[in-house]
Amino acid sequence: GDSVTQMEGPVTLSEEAFLTINCTYTATGYPSLFWYVQYPGEGLQLLLKATKADDKGSNKGFEATYRKETTSFHLEKGSVQVSDSAVYFCALSSGSARQLTFGSGTQLTVLP
Amino acid sequence: GAGVSQSPSNKVTEKGKDVELRCDPISGHTALYWYRQSLGQGLEFLIYFQGNSAPDKSGLPSDRFSAERTGGSVSTLTIQRTQQEDSAVYLCASSLATYEQYFGPGTRLTVT
Repeated sequence: GDSVTQMEGPVTLSEEAFLTINCTYTATGYPSLFWYVQYPGEGLQLLLKATKADDKGSNKGFEATYRKETTSFHLEKGSVQVSDSAVYFCALSSGSARQLTFGSGTQLTVLP
Repeated sequence: GAGVSQSPSNKVTEKGKDVELRCDPISGHTALYWYRQSLGQGLEFLIYFQGNSAPDKSGLPSDRFSAERTGGSVSTLTIQRTQQEDSAVYLCASSLATYEQYFGPGTRLTVT
């Protein structure tokens, strides 16, 4: 079945550091790929998405490129802020129901 | 506009009791999903409703779990004879005929 493997955390960075969270996937067909973020005490929010190979999703300074050849969708941000501290989930959408299959989540803490 | 709402936000119940969790999707969204977020299993798909079609129940973990969606809008997830392993956050999401799912704040269920 479909699966998502995500970089294990927790990840701790200083403010303005460069962030990479690795994500690879296994899926039949052509899934859509997503990053969701869960801030402390809040629900899941869509951060960015890509629906086909070579698409780049971007939002709030975060970027991820759909790489079919490496089955990857790594999340990057050039300069993190304290307010980016959250749990980040990589996910894919596939099948007739388009249900989401999630990675295990990566806890990011940014220190001032 | 209003987002996905869920009630109650927290529910504590005794082992063996039945519980009902409610989800109000975003108005006009035809697709509705239930997921479960637990420490041991991460985020798991439970069930999917699309319009008036038969639901996709492939993610339900046992026959103690059921869900219905009335009038193509509000949905209720019912867990019968609750067990301690049912303790989790139950998330509802809705979407249009796109790949973007919008999540509610969740219901935290604790079975004592």
